Amino acid sequence: AQSVTQPDIHITVSEGASLELRCNYSYGATPYLFWYVQSPGQGLQLLLKYFSGDTLVQGIKGFEAEFKRSQSSFNLRKPSVHWSDAAEYFCAVASYSSASKIIFGSGTRLSIRP
Amino acid sequence: KAGVTQTPRYLIKTRGQQVTLSCSPISGHRSVSWYQQTPGQGLQFLFEYFSETQRNKGNFPGRFSGRQFSNSRSEMNVSTLELGDSALYLCASSLAGGADATNEKLFFGSGTQLSVL
Repeated sequence: AQSVTQPDIHITVSEGASLELRCNYSYGATPYLFWYVQSPGQGLQLLLKYFSGDTLVQGIKGFEAEFKRSQSSFNLRKPSVHWSDAAEYFCAVASYSSASKIIFGSGTRLSIRP
Repeated sequence: KAGVTQTPRYLIKTRGQQVTLSCSPISGHRSVSWYQQTPGQGLQFLFEYFSETQRNKGNFPGRFSGRQFSNSRSEMNVSTLELGDSALYLCASSLAGGADATNEKLFFGSGTQLSVL
């Protein structure tokens, strides 16, 4: 069965510091992988997605993620975080046959230290 | 272009009651999916509708049901509410979803916060 693991529940980084949020997935075939961000009281906004091709994916707001099949990982990175990046981040996976049925990880809450 | 609209924004019900939540997708989108978000279980897929037909279903009891109208608007209904049904219910729409979704984005609404007392 498909699953997504985000091992870090809460991360705090200083403004201007680099960020890496971890994500591991379990899926038999090539998955569709996503990173979403959710601000308090809001829905989810897609940061980036990977379907195929280049394993380094660029997203919005300066985020990028790298798909590593050998490690079953899809970690999210940002070279320099801003206070406005404080939010909950969700890694997610979907299959080709039902791309709207997205399986989400438990989320990582990001706090920014001034 | 208007985004995904969910109504109401907040809802308070008591155990045993039933509730209906509404979702209006982005104009032109035909696929609507529903998700439940709770602190304990995270985000879980409920079901997806496309062209008025349920196309995918998650692992929720039969108390959770939905439907989609010809204008792609969708409603989800929860009968015999339980305390554990308290959650943020998110709706998402996309053009077609399913196997044609390789380049599609899923657009989420802001959700309906349901509290069951």
